[in-house]
Amino acid sequence: GAVVSQHPSWVICKSGTSVKIECRSLDFQATTMFWYRQFPKQSLMLMATSNEGSKATYEQGVEKDKFLINHASLTLSTLTVTSAHPEDSSFYICSASGSGNEQFFGPGTRLTVL
Amino acid sequence: AQRVTQPEKLLSVFKGAPVELKCNYSYSGSPELFWYVQYSRQRLQLLLRHISRESIKGFTADLNKGETSFHLKKPFAQEEDSAMYYCALRSGGSNYKLTFGKGTLLTVNP
Repeated sequence: GAVVSQHPSWVICKSGTSVKIECRSLDFQATTMFWYRQFPKQSLMLMATSNEGSKATYEQGVEKDKFLINHASLTLSTLTVTSAHPEDSSFYICSASGSGNEQFFGPGTRLTVL
Repeated sequence: AQRVTQPEKLLSVFKGAPVELKCNYSYSGSPELFWYVQYSRQRLQLLLRHISRESIKGFTADLNKGETSFHLKKPFAQEEDSAMYYCALRSGGSNYKLTFGKGTLLTVNP
């Protein structure tokens, strides 16, 4: 099956710094990638949708200047949390879909901002 | 706006008992519905989708448009079914984004 990886799997950073999370589709070309945020014991909340080579579409309430998304190739999308604060601490999950439109999920990245 | 409701946060059954995880949705268009499962310390994975009308790991789900429901059922639960289950609705359009319910944590006791 299709595999999606995320790096890093966890990261701890100081308040005010920026953190980049990578999402890669390992064995297929992902025309669309999705970024979700999951709070403890809660559901996945879609943050943004990105198509390769174009600007991401952000969901209502998600600050695009804070959560920078780049989808420069068909196998890589990055999420950069800029000027991170403790309230940004969360589990960030990406998914990728190719021609079949099914979404394949990455393992997630645990971000802790001190 | 589309919405997915899973009324039960927690569901506990004994091994061999039937299990039903409830899911209701609201969507103005023609819905595509899915069940995803997340086992402990693993990533989210697709369990089944309504258009396939298939049974996966003994689970089935039927879309009831009249009741706007897509409940997940299994006649005899197994301990390895213990996991978090999410119902999701996919909207149309070019991006096919998913809206998830809040999830139901199923525990199957021995």
